Amino acid sequence: DAKTTQPTSMDCAEGRAANLPCNHSTISGNEYVYWYRQIHSQGPQYIIHGLKNNETNEMASLIITEDRKSSTLILPHATLRDTAVYYCIVRAGGTSYGKLTFGQGTILTVHP
Amino acid sequence: DAGVTQSPTHLIKTRGQQVTLRCSPKSGHDTVSWYQQALGQGPQFIFQYYEEEERQRGNFPDRFSGHQFPNYSSELNVNALLLGDSALYLCASSLGGHNTEAFFGQGTRLTVV
Repeated sequence: DAKTTQPTSMDCAEGRAANLPCNHSTISGNEYVYWYRQIHSQGPQYIIHGLKNNETNEMASLIITEDRKSSTLILPHATLRDTAVYYCIVRAGGTSYGKLTFGQGTILTVHP
Repeated sequence: DAGVTQSPTHLIKTRGQQVTLRCSPKSGHDTVSWYQQALGQGPQFIFQYYEEEERQRGNFPDRFSGHQFPNYSSELNVNALLLGDSALYLCASSLGGHNTEAFFGQGTRLTVV
C-alpha cells in the first residue's frame, strides 16, 4: 500500500470548514484513498473513501486531484466534536483484503 | 443493530502471563481484523481472519495468535506477555472480498505490569 503524508496538527474555528490535506504521490491505479478519524479513547471511525472522483457523504467531502497524488478531506462546518486524529490511508481496492495501514495522522483541534 | 463489540474493555496482566481478547463483528460481517495501538501511535495491523482462517498477517511475533469461530466472532491470544504489549487492542469487522469500510470496536486496553 502507498505511503501517505499528512500534517501533524491543524486548528480550525468552530463553524468553519476544516480542510485536511494528504499527500500520496506513489499511489497506483487500483488504490483507493480512505479517511478515518479517531476521537480520544475510541476506535477509529470510517469517514469516506474514493478512487478518483470527488465524493461526498453526510460527514464530509473528499477531493482527489486529477493526478491522484494528493487529496483533501473537507468537514464543511466543523464542530467541537470533530476534534480528533484524522488518518488518510491508501489501500488497494477491488476484492483486496481489508488491511488498513495507519500513519501518524493529523490531530485536528476545533476551537470555540 | 449492534456494532463491533469487544471484551473486556480493560485488563491488567503480569509479565509472562497469557491473555485472550474477544470480538463480535458487526451483524452481516464475516471478516475480522485485529490491530494494536500503542500510546500516541496509529493502529498497527496484527492479522485478519476470514472463513475461520488467518488470511493476512502483519509484522507481529508468533506469541500473537488468533481464532475465528463459525459465527464469525474472533479471539486474539497473546502468550508470554511483555511490558511492551501494553496497548489498546482494536478489532475491526468488514465484509470479505468487498472494498467497503471497516467498522471498529472501542478496543480493549491491556496493561502489562
